[in-house]
Amino acid sequence: GAVVSQHPSWVICKSGTSVKIECRSLDFQATTMFWYRQFPKQSLMLMATSNEGSKATYEQGVEKDKFLINHASLTLSTLTVTSAHPEDSSFYICSVSGSTGNSNQPQHFGDGTRLSIL
Amino acid sequence: DAKTTQPPSMDCAEGRAANLPCNHSTISGNEYVYWYRQIHSQGPQYIIHGLKNNETNEMASLIITEDRKSSTLILPHATLRDTAVYYCIAHGANSKLTFGKGITLSVRP
Repeated sequence: GAVVSQHPSWVICKSGTSVKIECRSLDFQATTMFWYRQFPKQSLMLMATSNEGSKATYEQGVEKDKFLINHASLTLSTLTVTSAHPEDSSFYICSVSGSTGNSNQPQHFGDGTRLSIL
Repeated sequence: DAKTTQPPSMDCAEGRAANLPCNHSTISGNEYVYWYRQIHSQGPQYIIHGLKNNETNEMASLIITEDRKSSTLILPHATLRDTAVYYCIAHGANSKLTFGKGITLSVRP
């Protein structure tokens, strides 16, 4: 399956700072990547679907102006948390979709980024 | 995605088989059953998936009932490193994954 690298693995920053998280597909050309958020003791919640060369599709309740997604190449998607506040502190995880066309393939996940806003 | 139901937790002894059940009574014909697991503070890991036939790989076996309304993930010889949250998800091609609460498996020495 696809190998997914996520960077940084953890970050601590002050309130009001913008933070960029990178998700790289190391061995697979990913036209679609996904961004999830996970709060403590909760399950993963999909934030947005990142499509190479086009705008991301955001889930209901996720502010697109606050969580900027760029997917400029087939191997890299970035999530920027703009003007982060303590309530944005969470575990952010990206995944690569192995599916093409009508095939049904698993998603492969990065190891996540733990974001702590002071 | 069809809704799936899993018990909140279970445990098993190290070296024994762990059988993790999942109900997906509203699964549609084109939806596969996927299993992922998440070890603490890591991203989810794909385990196995199937449509209607039983499947086996180096990690686990997946047994799907004939009516496809339920399935069981089998870890044949559980180790301490298998302690994790296991998610059963039913979804079709190109659809989004919807994670439920999963089942927390605790493997005891």
